[in-house]
Amino acid sequence: KNEVEQSPQNLTAQEGEFITINCSYSVGISALHWLQQHPGGGIVSLFMLSSGKKKHGRLIATINIQEKHSSLHITASHPRDSAVYICAVMEYGNKLVFGAGTILRVKS
Amino acid sequence: DGGITQSPKYLFRKEGQNVTLSCEQNLNHDAMYWYRQDPGQGLRLIYYSQIVNDFQKGDIAEGYSVSREKKESFPLTVTSAQKNPTAFYLCASRGWTGSGTEQYFGPGTRLTVT
Repeated sequence: KNEVEQSPQNLTAQEGEFITINCSYSVGISALHWLQQHPGGGIVSLFMLSSGKKKHGRLIATINIQEKHSSLHITASHPRDSAVYICAVMEYGNKLVFGAGTILRVKS
Repeated sequence: DGGITQSPKYLFRKEGQNVTLSCEQNLNHDAMYWYRQDPGQGLRLIYYSQIVNDFQKGDIAEGYSVSREKKESFPLTVTSAQKNPTAFYLCASRGWTGSGTEQYFGPGTRLTVT
């Protein structure tokens, strides 16, 4: 079993829909990252959080440390949101462990 | 603008040849990392360095080597001993700011070995 599990693996949405991507992990962590990878391959860090909730524009990330679960929400989705979204957890000792990613496609 | 530079974006090599991927950062970060990405899998750690002249093996170091002679540079050599070198390689760095840590990723290098 992977230490970091993401769901769904693939997601197709219609423009304007509310999108949720989930991340569950099985180890103790000091922080969790949500990353975005576009087709060219480069990765951008969207959020780093260790508790509660963060919001940036149409993106919202939440984390529940007790349940070892995090969600990334996209409100009013747009085709330009199409990308791979990756959850990564920072284990104690500063090691990052990555989920396999969720491929999101938003259709206009 | 600060960031990480990886070059080239695409690299093609013949089997049996060593190849070196470059990674440069101007963020003044102490820690640098190399990851490998394969389709359908999460990024896996190859090597990391927390300080100049020191580096540690990650989870899949076999067939790879690194050096950290300068703070801003962390080149990765894919040797002929690496059985499946074709992959996407990402360099990352981490540093500490007044408000916590910051994590940056490079644009990646896609290596194809035939």
